[in-house]
Amino acid sequence: KAGVTQTPRYLIKTRGQQVTLSCSPISGHRSVSWYQQTPGQGLQFLFEYFSETQRNKGNFPGRFSGRQFSNSRSEMNVSTLELGDSALYLCASSPTGGAEGSPLHFGNGTRLTVT
Amino acid sequence: GEDVEQSLFLSVREGDSSVINCTYTDSSSTYLYWYKQEPGAGLQLLTYIFSNMDMKQDQRLTVLLNKKDKHLSLRIADTQTGDSAIYFCAEGSSGGSYIPTFGRGTSLIVHP
Repeated sequence: KAGVTQTPRYLIKTRGQQVTLSCSPISGHRSVSWYQQTPGQGLQFLFEYFSETQRNKGNFPGRFSGRQFSNSRSEMNVSTLELGDSALYLCASSPTGGAEGSPLHFGNGTRLTVT
Repeated sequence: GEDVEQSLFLSVREGDSSVINCTYTDSSSTYLYWYKQEPGAGLQLLTYIFSNMDMKQDQRLTVLLNKKDKHLSLRIADTQTGDSAIYFCAEGSSGGSYIPTFGRGTSLIVHP
């Protein structure tokens, strides 16, 4: 089975721009979660989608949004980029959600640099 | 709310055993996970344990769970330089939000 695929691997954007990141989950996985990883804050949960619905949301501003398509692929969007948005963005999929014995499987991430 | 704590760094010599510790606060935790992150990569699931188990062994990895003290440990036997990575502990709860809570990760440095 193919793993979780995230594209692109690297992105460089300037402040004020917007960006869209893509995630293809493992086949059959219906839950997709997004995380932001920075050296200072560690792994921060952004949101989780299950069957095209946002089921859980972390504590991030509205500039961060996402969606999930009927084939379970997911995208996240960050508008009006700030320097502090520079991070590794990780996508993870699981059959049902990652907490009840349904472990998360992570992609290799998208490294976003905002200049 | 739930919290998962780990020490930030651990340094060992090649061939020694490594023990990475984790404590959690949610008494309803059902599953506890260990992930490994190598530079430039995502998190790789190493192993997980159900809360009704005390121990799980998988080749060089041994997970010990003390549910009373809410303490989880990961022991790596015969640690190799390739084991150098960040190790994350995470917990998930039955009937919860489906989202596991992660610790901040322990950087394991293995010296030759």
